Amino acid sequence: GAGVSQSPRYKVAKRGQDVALRCDPISGHVSLFWYQQALGQGPEFLTYFQNEAQLDKSGLPSDRFFAERPEGSVSTLKIQRTQQEDSAVYLCASSYPSGTGGISPYEQYFGPGTRLTVT
Amino acid sequence: RKEVEQDPGPFNVPEGATVAFNCTYSNSASQSFFWYRQDCRKEPKLLMSVYSSGNEDGRFTAQLNRASQYISLLIRDSKLSDSATYLCVVTAYNNAGNMLTFGGGTRLMVKP
Repeated sequence: GAGVSQSPRYKVAKRGQDVALRCDPISGHVSLFWYQQALGQGPEFLTYFQNEAQLDKSGLPSDRFFAERPEGSVSTLKIQRTQQEDSAVYLCASSYPSGTGGISPYEQYFGPGTRLTVT
Repeated sequence: RKEVEQDPGPFNVPEGATVAFNCTYSNSASQSFFWYRQDCRKEPKLLMSVYSSGNEDGRFTAQLNRASQYISLLIRDSKLSDSATYLCVVTAYNNAGNMLTFGGGTRLMVKP
């Protein structure tokens, strides 16, 4: 079946531009996560949604970062006034609720990511 | 100090070799443990979960030592296709559901 999809796959932005990154989770997945992966590092948690509710945004690096999931399916991560340090791969992951379905109650399925380069 | 620490490598091994990766974590409240595999310019994919009793999946064996907060992955009879970055991952259920905390990854290169 269809996995997690993300668009665009690549984005080049000039410093100061706003960008919007889209994530389409697996249909029926309640939980949705955004991670940021800098070059040569592991992914780092940004924010988490359960349905349309944003339950944790503690990983967002600044108030320039904003995420939404208004209807509990597609999510958008917006970065305002991009800076060079925002250059990274932004990964979206979705999962079943804990304890129901999936190989493991915690298995998260990742999308291919959006590679953002700020020049 | 990072919450999950791994030797970044790279580990360069010949085909057929046995290689082991280690990882330590600092949050004693961590509840679940995993190894993910990430190929170059691709997304992470779950390789296997890690249990206290140790678990094996073909050529891969994972071990968890809760007392020492230490996780290991052993790969036997390495194949060229095992070349990838291996990410040690822990999770603790909190308001962020099952947020994954990743180590920096260990890069493995298997050579003919």
